[in-house]
Amino acid sequence: AQRVTQPEKLLSVFKGAPVELKCNYSYSGSPELFWYVQYSRQRLQLLLRHISRESIKGFTADLNKGETSFHLKKPFAQEEDSAMYYCALKAGGYNKLIFGAGTRLAVHP
Amino acid sequence: EAQVTQNPRYLITVTGKKLTVTCSQNMNHEYMSWYRQDPGLGLRQIYYSMNVEVTDKGDVPEGYKVSRKEKRNFPLILESPSPNQTSLYFCASFSNYGYTFGSGTRLTVV
Repeated sequence: AQRVTQPEKLLSVFKGAPVELKCNYSYSGSPELFWYVQYSRQRLQLLLRHISRESIKGFTADLNKGETSFHLKKPFAQEEDSAMYYCALKAGGYNKLIFGAGTRLAVHP
Repeated sequence: EAQVTQNPRYLITVTGKKLTVTCSQNMNHEYMSWYRQDPGLGLRQIYYSMNVEVTDKGDVPEGYKVSRKEKRNFPLILESPSPNQTSLYFCASFSNYGYTFGSGTRLTVV
């Protein structure tokens, strides 16, 4: 079955601390993975997609097919990073995105 | 500006009163989709459309209908809303770059 698991509902860190939001997926084919961010009361915005291998707002994510993971990392968290983060899987030839339950990141001053 | 526009942003209604949430995109995308967002469950797909007059059920289609008479519009219809449809709804359209989401519609059914 196709599934995305984000094991942490809430991740609370202090400003300047490293951040790692975990994402594991279950899919037998070749996946496309995304990270979306949702700031308070705003729409979901694309943060990263694994095939572009870019760094956005200091965040990076590497697809590890062996561990079926796509963890989101940032070396130094900022208060403005506080938001809800969703990992999503696009499976095969379909355009459907399968979302994880989300992790709320709270960065404290 | 490329965008997906949903209306209304907020809606409170009573059980059984039919309602429609509109969604429009200006990017000429073929694929559009509706999701509902609930705490602890993430986003779940309700319906999707691969093109004009082509729609299909997602993971949680019960109690919803959609139509796709023209490429830009993809309304979500609740014929007889019930309290368990209280949720935050997002419309999205898809390109090769990824999904573009609307601002969301917070629906409360009392």
